[in-house]
Amino acid sequence: LAKTTQPISMDSYEGQEVNITCSHNNIATNDYITWYQQFPSQGPRFIIQGYKTKVTNEVASLFIPADRKSSTLSLPRVSLSDTAVYYCLVELNAGNMLTFGGGTRLMVKP
Amino acid sequence: EAEVAQSPRYKITEKSQAVAFWCDPISGHATLYWYRQILGQGPELLVQFQDESVVDDSQLPKDRFSAERLKGVDSTLKIQPAELGDSAMYLCASRPGQGVYYGYTFGSGTRLTVV
Repeated sequence: LAKTTQPISMDSYEGQEVNITCSHNNIATNDYITWYQQFPSQGPRFIIQGYKTKVTNEVASLFIPADRKSSTLSLPRVSLSDTAVYYCLVELNAGNMLTFGGGTRLMVKP
Repeated sequence: EAEVAQSPRYKITEKSQAVAFWCDPISGHATLYWYRQILGQGPELLVQFQDESVVDDSQLPKDRFSAERLKGVDSTLKIQPAELGDSAMYLCASRPGQGVYYGYTFGSGTRLTVV
């Protein structure tokens, strides 16, 4: 399984764009990159998934360079309610289990 | 929006007692997972079911933990006897099938405190 590395924590202010970068140097051809968000005392929640280039949904954007060895989750104009832990995962396209790392604790300040 | 149901929400038990957690996945979801999350860490997989069969329980401490999904629907995770180090959040997740494009849905978890 490809190991991911992401910052332990980040601080931001309301209204700013937040970019969280994840490194996955040994990603394999059939691996997808998935991001989850987790609030305290809740289970993780799917945010976005991608294979290459750029993916955008109503919540976030995911940028993946051509070599796919890293990815960046972009949260536009964050609010206090975006304070959470964000997990970057590399998922094999074979339906196996998710392997979580330590995640990035994002603190949004007023 | 369909949810994964878990109960109880919180559980306090004494060391050496037995404890059980229940999970009801989203209707029709064939794959079910139990994860354990220690405070401040990411979730770690304990066991994976495909319908009623165990697919992967390599990380399940089988001397004290057991899991079942008898009819391929809801599932129970049991710990006997509980130890202080078992204090954690126990999360259940389900997905409709195999393949990365099937998103996982997690429940809100059971917070276990062993005293």
